[in-house]
Amino acid sequence: EAGVAQSPRYKIIEKRQSVAFWCNPISGHATLYWYQQILGQGPKLLIQFQNNGVVDDSQLPKDRFSAERLKGVDSTLKIQPAKLEDSAVYLCASMVRLAGDVGYNEQFFGPGTRLTVL
Amino acid sequence: AQSVTQLDSQVPVFEEAPVELRCNYSSSVSVYLFWYVQYPNQGLQLLLKYLSGSTLVESINGFEAEFNKSQTSFHLRKPSVHISDTAEYFCAVSAASYNTDKLIFGTGTRLQVFP
Repeated sequence: EAGVAQSPRYKIIEKRQSVAFWCNPISGHATLYWYQQILGQGPKLLIQFQNNGVVDDSQLPKDRFSAERLKGVDSTLKIQPAKLEDSAVYLCASMVRLAGDVGYNEQFFGPGTRLTVL
Repeated sequence: AQSVTQLDSQVPVFEEAPVELRCNYSSSVSVYLFWYVQYPNQGLQLLLKYLSGSTLVESINGFEAEFNKSQTSFHLRKPSVHISDTAEYFCAVSAASYNTDKLIFGTGTRLQVFP
């Protein structure tokens, strides 16, 4: 079974530029997450999708960050314009949870995209 | 809300020595607890988890962790480490609820195993 795919793996941009990251979850996984992992910190949830709907975006800086999952499969995360403090690894994760599921399901993580803002 | 504290940012240890990585959590509700491992340039991998039942949980590669409710801890241990265990280890917590699976991570502990 293929894992969570992310691209690009590395990106270097200058501040005020725009950048987009792509994530393809494990086939059949209805739930998708984007995390931000700043150097020296643990991952922080930015946004959670259930199919193509947003479940939780309470920690997404909406003035500059946006995310979509139009067809309920792959997802893009965009930053516009980027700031120096956005330098981090952006992790995508997916989970199989379907509507009506209860109990624990494991989140599977992709390799991440390392963003450097100069 | 939940929070996680990993007191040790780095733990150096010699090969074949025992190791303990400490994790304490805070929550007003019942929780699930996790340890994730992150090897260089790779994503997070679930190492082990506590959901319910036995408070001692084990991984397939010799790690174990014990849920201690009174001390609100979930320390990770291994009796004899190997060079290949060198990685970043993250403790995480989520509320034990059917309608939320939000993971709250600690800041991580870098385990460095020396020959």
